[in-house]
Amino acid sequence: QVQLVESGGGVVQPGRSLRLACAASGFTFSSYGMHWVRQAPGKGLEWVAVISHDGKNIYYADSMKGRFTISRDNSKNTLYLQMNSLRIEDTAVYYCAKDLASYTQYWYFDLWGRGTLVTVSS
Amino acid sequence: QSALTQPASVSGSPGQSISISCTGSSGDVGAYYFVSWYQQHPGKAPKLIIYDVSNRPSGVSDRFSGSKSGNTASLTISGLQAEDEADYYCSSYTSTSTPHSLFGGGTQLTVL
Repeated sequence: QVQLVESGGGVVQPGRSLRLACAASGFTFSSYGMHWVRQAPGKGLEWVAVISHDGKNIYYADSMKGRFTISRDNSKNTLYLQMNSLRIEDTAVYYCAKDLASYTQYWYFDLWGRGTLVTVSS
Repeated sequence: QSALTQPASVSGSPGQSISISCTGSSGDVGAYYFVSWYQQHPGKAPKLIIYDVSNRPSGVSDRFSGSKSGNTASLTISGLQAEDEADYYCSSYTSTSTPHSLFGGGTQLTVL
C-alpha cells in the first residue's frame, strides 16, 4: 500500500525542539524527492522544505531556515524534520509529501500523509 | 517569499462552471510552468489535481482544467458537483533567492 505516515507531533514549549518522522511504504522511497508542508489551524498551506532523492540537495522556506533541518534515511524509508527554537507561530499540522517525479525535483506533491499536529504553547 | 493571491471564496450551483484565479509575479507563476492545484476536503490531506499548469494526474476528473496567462493561473471546474465543495490551493515553483515552492492562500468553494 502506497502511503506516508507522519509521527512525532505533540505539545512543546516555545524555544524547545521536536523531531518529526515520516515513514514511507509502497514505493521506491530512495528515488523521490520529499517535502514537508505545514498548515496552521484554520489557515492555508505553507511549504517548509525539500530534500532530493539522494539527500544532496536541500532547500528551505526563509522563515524556517536555520531552525529546521530536513533529512532522510533511505535504508529506513524515512524522512525527518528536526525543528529547533520552536515558536508559537510554528503551531500547525505538518505533512510530508512525495515529489511527483523520480530522480529530480518537480515541485509537485502527489502523495501526502495524514499529517501530525505540532502545538507550541507555554 | 510572498504567498500567491487567490480569492477567499467562490460559489456555484450544481452543473455550473467556476474558475479560481491565482496571481503571482514574473518571478514565479509568470516565469515557470511549474504551477499546480490541490483540493483539500475538511480534515483531509490535500490532493494534487493539476500540475504543469494544465495536466491532470491519472484518476482526476476531466471536469478539472487549468490554464495560465502572464502572472495569473486559473483552475476551472465544469459541471459542478456537491463533492467538489472543498478548499483549493494553487502552488508555483520559484527560484527567487533559493529554489522553493509558494502556495496561494486558498479558496473555499461552496456548491449551492
